Amino acid sequence: AQSVSQHNHHVILSEAASLELGCNYSYGGTVNLFWYVQYPGQHLQLLLKYFSGDPLVKGIKGFEAEFIKSKFSFNLRKPSVQWSDTAEYFCAVNVYNNDMRFGAGTRLTVKP
Amino acid sequence: KAGVTQTPRYLIKTRGQQVTLSCSPISGHRSVSWYQQTPGQGLQFLFEYFSETQRNKGNFPGRFSGRQFSNSRSEMNVSTLELGDSALYLCASSRDPSDIQYFGAGTRLSVL
Repeated sequence: AQSVSQHNHHVILSEAASLELGCNYSYGGTVNLFWYVQYPGQHLQLLLKYFSGDPLVKGIKGFEAEFIKSKFSFNLRKPSVQWSDTAEYFCAVNVYNNDMRFGAGTRLTVKP
Repeated sequence: KAGVTQTPRYLIKTRGQQVTLSCSPISGHRSVSWYQQTPGQGLQFLFEYFSETQRNKGNFPGRFSGRQFSNSRSEMNVSTLELGDSALYLCASSRDPSDIQYFGAGTRLSVL
């Protein structure tokens, strides 16, 4: 079945540690890829997106993600996390002319 | 520019009742999607509308329905409420189905 998989349910890191959150999808064809973040008590908001072009995309707050087409992956990275990065992170895939599908989310806790 | 507006913000209903939730998209956005968010299941896609037409529907029972009006505003309806329908219902709008989705604050539905 077509799906979006986020490998980690809950990640706990100390401040200044590096972060990588995995996202794999099983859709073929052209896809648009997104990472959204939901800070405690706030709306979902867009972190970064990939539509085409350079597979390494940079988003807000120092986040970046790399699209690897051969691996159907779109992993999120940040070299040094801060306490304020504590949030839930969602990977989403939009197959052209189809609906948006979200992963189950990864909860990130950053310890000060 | 005003964001996505969802009303009401909170609802308390009892089993067997029905409920209607409303979503006003960002001006100029013609695509509206609805999601159910629960702690255990993450974000589940309900349906997507574009120019008053339902383009896609998620795997939810027929008790869940929706519509979109000519001004792009959308409503979703849940009939014969069950305890398991308690969730945060999120609406997202975009210019078209492949574009970035902007989320509203959600309607928190509690079914007693």
